Amino acid sequence: AQKITQTQPGMFVQEKEAVTLDCTYDTSDPSYGLFWYKQPSSGEMIFLIYQGSYDQQNATEGRYSLNFQKARKSANLVISASQLGDSAMYFCAMREGQGTNAGKSTFGDGTTLTVKP
Amino acid sequence: DTGVSQDPRHKITKRGQNVTFRCDPISEHNRLYWYRQTLGQGPEFLTYFQNEAQLEKSRLLSDRFSAERPKGSFSTLEIQRTEQGDSAMYLCASSSFWGTEAFFGQGTRLTVV
Repeated sequence: AQKITQTQPGMFVQEKEAVTLDCTYDTSDPSYGLFWYKQPSSGEMIFLIYQGSYDQQNATEGRYSLNFQKARKSANLVISASQLGDSAMYFCAMREGQGTNAGKSTFGDGTTLTVKP
Repeated sequence: DTGVSQDPRHKITKRGQNVTFRCDPISEHNRLYWYRQTLGQGPEFLTYFQNEAQLEKSRLLSDRFSAERPKGSFSTLEIQRTEQGDSAMYLCASSSFWGTEAFFGQGTRLTVV
C-alpha cells in the first residue's frame, strides 16, 4: 500500500508567489518523522525540512514551512516567495518508528515545480 | 567538499556485465543507506549499514545485488549479471546516529543496454 501520496505530478507558480505542495501519508505507528527533499536536475536530494509526529508546532526553515495536520495525515510543504531556483522535483518522505534512523524513509513519487518569471 | 560523494556519476554497461558503485559518506556519519530511483518515481530503500554491519535489506535487493562497508567508512554496491530493469539512479545517503536528517550524494546513473 502506498504510504506517501503526492497527488500533484506538476505545479506551476509565478516568481515571488507562494505555493503549496501536497503530501498525505499513511501509518499506524504513533512515532514517525516527515521530510521534504528537493531534487534539482543534477540529481542530488537536498533536505529541506523535518516534522516529528510529536512536534506541537509546524516546522519552518527559512522560506519553507510544513503545514502538519496530524488528524488528516497530511504534511504539505509551503514555499513562500518562490524563486526561479526553486524549480525542481520535490519529494515527501516518511520514517516510521522511534529512534533516529533518519535515512530509512519511504518516499512519494514527487511533484515537479516550475517557477515562471 | 565534505558532503556525500558517489562514483561514478554515470555508468553505461551491457546486459550481463557486473558493475560496482562506490559511496563515500560524510566522515563522522556511522549510518549509510542505498536507494534506487527509477524515472518518474521516488527513491526506494535498498539497504542500510550502521558502521560496518549491514542491518537491513529490502526485498528489492535481489541476490544479484550485494553491498559492503568493510571498514565502516566507504561502501560499495555491486550488481552482478545486470539486466535492463536495473537501469536507474542509485543514491547513497548518510546520517549520524542521532541525526534527524540524511544527506544524499548526487547518485550514480546506471544505464544497461
